[in-house]
This record gives sequence, structure tokens and C-alpha cells, in this order.
Amino acid sequence: KQEVTQIPAALSVPEGENLVLNCSFTDSAIYNLQWFRQDPGKGLTSLLLIQSSQREQTSGRLNASLDKSSGRSTLYIAASQPGDSATYLCAVKGSQGNLIFGKGTKLSVKP
Amino acid sequence: DAGVTQSPTHLIKTRGQQVTLRCSPKSGHDTVSWYQQALGQGPQFIFQYYEEEERQRGNFPDRFSGHQFPNYSSELNVNALLLGDSALYLCASSFPGLASTQYFGPGTRLLVL
Repeated sequence: KQEVTQIPAALSVPEGENLVLNCSFTDSAIYNLQWFRQDPGKGLTSLLLIQSSQREQTSGRLNASLDKSSGRSTLYIAASQPGDSATYLCAVKGSQGNLIFGKGTKLSVKP
Repeated sequence: DAGVTQSPTHLIKTRGQQVTLRCSPKSGHDTVSWYQQALGQGPQFIFQYYEEEERQRGNFPDRFSGHQFPNYSSELNVNALLLGDSALYLCASSFPGLASTQYFGPGTRLLVL
């Protein structure tokens, strides 16, 4: 059974700092991995999607990497801003097609 | 182009009641998936509908049922509500197949008293 773990559960950083969020999964037989952002009480916004054959994806200040063999992904946020404060969720898609999520990392960026 | 929409936004019910949540997929999408997100947890997959049939199901009891209409919109029904059913219910739409990205709606917040 696939399990997804995200560490840390919460993170507080000063504005301008670069930071890394971690995601690990137990079964390397994934189709793709996706990072989402969730603001309090809101739905999910897709940030980056990495196919199983890819190593990384970049969008603006965000960079996500994938090491399928070790079951790990990282989300790198450069020059963090208060507007980046949110919960970040990692999800893997297996052969069944549904997404399996971690519990998320709650990020707070202090001005 | 409207994204995924869900209704209602918030709902309060009492134990034992039944509830119906609705989802309209993103234009062009014909596959709808439902997820339950309890407070402080990641979303958990309930089921997926394609061509008006339930194609996959997560580890949820039969109290959770659904339907998909010919226009691809979908309903999630929960019978005999329990306090533990209080959660944010998320709908996601996509094209069929593993390569398709799921787009999420804003969710329906259900509170069971």
C-alpha cells in the first residue's frame, strides 16, 4: 500500500529565505508526482507535476525534483514571500489513477 | 472557461441525516473524482466516475455513493451521517487516463453535529 509522508509538518521562516519541503513515498511504481498549494479552507492549486520519467520541473521561484528509485521528492522555494504562506501537499499517482496525498507541510513566511 | 465548481460551499447537518454534494467539471473533462479531507489531513480518495459509472473506489463504506450525469456533472451522497464525516469534500475533474492532470474545485465544507 502506497504511503506518502511529508516533513516537516510545519515550517516558519523569515521573508527572503530559500527553503526545501520534503516528500517521500513507499512504492516507487508511480506514474507521476504533483505538488499542490492549499490556502486555509480552500481547494487545491496545482503547482508542479513531474512525470515518472522526469527528474525535475521548474515554475518561477519553484523547483520540484523527483528521485523515483529512492522514493523522494523535494519542493524548493526561492526567495520566500509572505504570500507563499499556505499548506503544501505532495501527491503521487499510481497505476490506478487516483492521487495519494501526504498530510502536507504548513508554511509560514514572516515579513 | 469555468473551472471545477462545487455546491454548496458550506453545509451543516446532524447525525443520521443524508447529504448530497454537487460538482461540475471543467469544460471538456469527462472524469470526476471525489476526495475527503479531514482537518489537518491530506485528501483521501473516495471514488471516480467515468461514462456515468463508478470506475474506482477508495476505502470508504457503502454509505458513500455517487452518480454521474450525461453532462459529466457528478453528485456525492452520504447516508446516515456520522460526526467523523465532517470534512472538506473536494471534487476533481480530468480527461480519462493516467496522463491526465486532475483539476480541483474549491470544495464543500460539511459539518456534522
